[in-house]
Amino acid sequence: NAGVTQTPKFRILKIGQSMTLQCAQDMNHNYMYWYRQDPGMGLKLIYYSVGAGITDKGEVPNGYNVSRSTTEDFPLRLELAAPSQTSVYFCASSYPGTGVEKLFFGSGTQLSVL
Amino acid sequence: GESVGLHLPTLSVQEGDNSIINCAYSNSASDYFIWYKQESGKGPQFIIDIRSNMDKRQGQRVTVLLNKTVKHLSLQIAATQPGDSAVYFCAENSAGYQKVTFGTGTKLQVIP
Repeated sequence: NAGVTQTPKFRILKIGQSMTLQCAQDMNHNYMYWYRQDPGMGLKLIYYSVGAGITDKGEVPNGYNVSRSTTEDFPLRLELAAPSQTSVYFCASSYPGTGVEKLFFGSGTQLSVL
Repeated sequence: GESVGLHLPTLSVQEGDNSIINCAYSNSASDYFIWYKQESGKGPQFIIDIRSNMDKRQGQRVTVLLNKTVKHLSLQIAATQPGDSAVYFCAENSAGYQKVTFGTGTKLQVIP
């Protein structure tokens, strides 16, 4: 049971480039989330999804897009990378039956925009 | 609110002593409170949670205390071990909401 898998683990982008951060979970969780964590800071919610085909904005959605075509996958898209998007990105999932609050996190993607 | 700058609050504890990590929350409508542990280079990991109708909950070596009057949450770790060294985050959620809001973390350093 892999849990939540994020790829890539590290990436360096140039300003203006685009990329997709991948996230997949094999726990059949309805809810999935994207958080960013800046150095020495807490986690800020970017986008979340309560099921396939349903997404909603979190606290800091600007500069990002998401889609949820299947229960398992929740990719995060950066269209025009900016230095302010340098951060560690965490994907998480949860299941209402065991508590929405009990998030299962991936190991993160460290992104640098130069 | 936000943590200040790049420096997380740090708690240094001698191995074997008890640790107490504190958290203040602002949303009086929050129903669930959760503690997460984040080890270096890893994603946060669920430790323990508590509902707003409780004031204390115990797990293995950990106890969470909730004081709704002053909107304060604490995590107590008994007999702290080197493996407890990590950043600890409190988080909160309200019934009917799908979003979990994380607070500012506290770095726990265990001195051998």
